[in-house]
Amino acid sequence: RKEVEQDPGPFNVPEGATVAFNCTYSNSASQSFFWYRQDCRKEPKLLMSVYSSGNEDGRFTAQLNRASQYISLLIRDSKLSDSATYLCVVNMGSGGSNYKLTFGKGTLLTVNP
Amino acid sequence: DAGVTQSPTHLIKTRGQQVTLRCSPKSGHDTVSWYQQALGQGPQFIFQYYEEEERQRGNFPDRFSGHQFPNYSSELNVNALLLGDSALYLCASSLFVGADTQYFGPGTRLTVL
Repeated sequence: RKEVEQDPGPFNVPEGATVAFNCTYSNSASQSFFWYRQDCRKEPKLLMSVYSSGNEDGRFTAQLNRASQYISLLIRDSKLSDSATYLCVVNMGSGGSNYKLTFGKGTLLTVNP
Repeated sequence: DAGVTQSPTHLIKTRGQQVTLRCSPKSGHDTVSWYQQALGQGPQFIFQYYEEEERQRGNFPDRFSGHQFPNYSSELNVNALLLGDSALYLCASSLFVGADTQYFGPGTRLTVL
């Protein structure tokens, strides 16, 4: 099993659509979870951290299910500017100074006019 | 406030050569991590430097080595280059070792011919 596995994609959606990305991780002791966004030929940028209680930032909602080792990202009312690769990221270190960010392969989203 | 900077932007080398990539962390950050991102893949963790020492290492051969200087800047060295080393090399800095949020530089695109 891969350490961090994401929907393979790509996703092509019309403007205004709702799209969901799913991700699973292998290490049940993982401490922290993130979604990063990467535009074509650019560096990854933190989109949001993911908390057990779930968290929302405008049109973006992230959920974490520790029992199922599953993370999701929901984008509502998609905009053209949301087109990017979305990376699921898990800190698989054991905590404290032991820190190892492990990235999924990424899921490409294209929002069409 | 300058973000993470990397040099050079692009580099072309031939098999067997050696390469050095450079990174300056975001102001106030003392921890630097290096990642390799092959085409179509998520970034893979190479190693992390803090207090001028390698603190964590991913699954990369000894051909990959690094250094951190007293001003927190860092270098990544790759010896005996292989075709498979062609990738985007990303540097990320964080406020302290173990900090959840990492800020990425624009990367160095290395092509090995």
